[in-house]
Amino acid sequence: KAGVTQTPRYLIKTRGQQVTLSCSPISGHRSVSWYQQTPGQGLQFLFEYFSETQRNKGNFPGRFSGRQFSNSRSEMNVSTLELGDSALYLCASSPGLAEVYEQYFGPGTRLTVT
Amino acid sequence: QKEVEQNSGPLSVPEGAIASLNCTYSDRVSQSFFWYRQYSGKSPELIMSIYSNGDKEDGRFTAQLNKASQYVSLLIRDSQPSDSATYLCAVNGGVSGGSYIPTFGRGTSLIVHP
Repeated sequence: KAGVTQTPRYLIKTRGQQVTLSCSPISGHRSVSWYQQTPGQGLQFLFEYFSETQRNKGNFPGRFSGRQFSNSRSEMNVSTLELGDSALYLCASSPGLAEVYEQYFGPGTRLTVT
Repeated sequence: QKEVEQNSGPLSVPEGAIASLNCTYSDRVSQSFFWYRQYSGKSPELIMSIYSNGDKEDGRFTAQLNKASQYVSLLIRDSQPSDSATYLCAVNGGVSGGSYIPTFGRGTSLIVHP
């Protein structure tokens, strides 16, 4: 079974721009969660989508948004980028709700904001 | 604010020894607990999940859960240099709009030296 895939793997953007990241979960998984990982804050939960609905959202500003499509693929968007948004963005899929089930992570997208 | 605490390490053990990694959590209603391993520059990969008090064994790994004391531990028997990585503890916790969100500790760095 293919794992979680994320595109692009690396991205360099300028402050003020916006960015869209994509995630394809493991086949059959309906839950997709997004995380931000930085050396200073560790792994921080952004939000979870299940059956095209956002179920949970972490403590991030409204500039961070996402959506999920009917085939469970998900996108995350960050508008008006700030230098502090530079991080590794990880997508994880679960066979069920992330609050109960294990998660399988993709390779991540390394975002650098200059 | 729900918290998951881990000693950052590094924890250094000789090859063949038992490595003991610990994690404490603040939310008493947490129900699902997970250990992930993350190699430098890679994304986290699931090692084990545990839901009930007691021990759960999988190969060289044993997870231990004590809900009364609010701690989870991971034992790695016969440690190998390839086990050198950061180990993340994840807890189903952190109420958001009535639902629980996964919360990760900052991780413990393990070094297994020959």
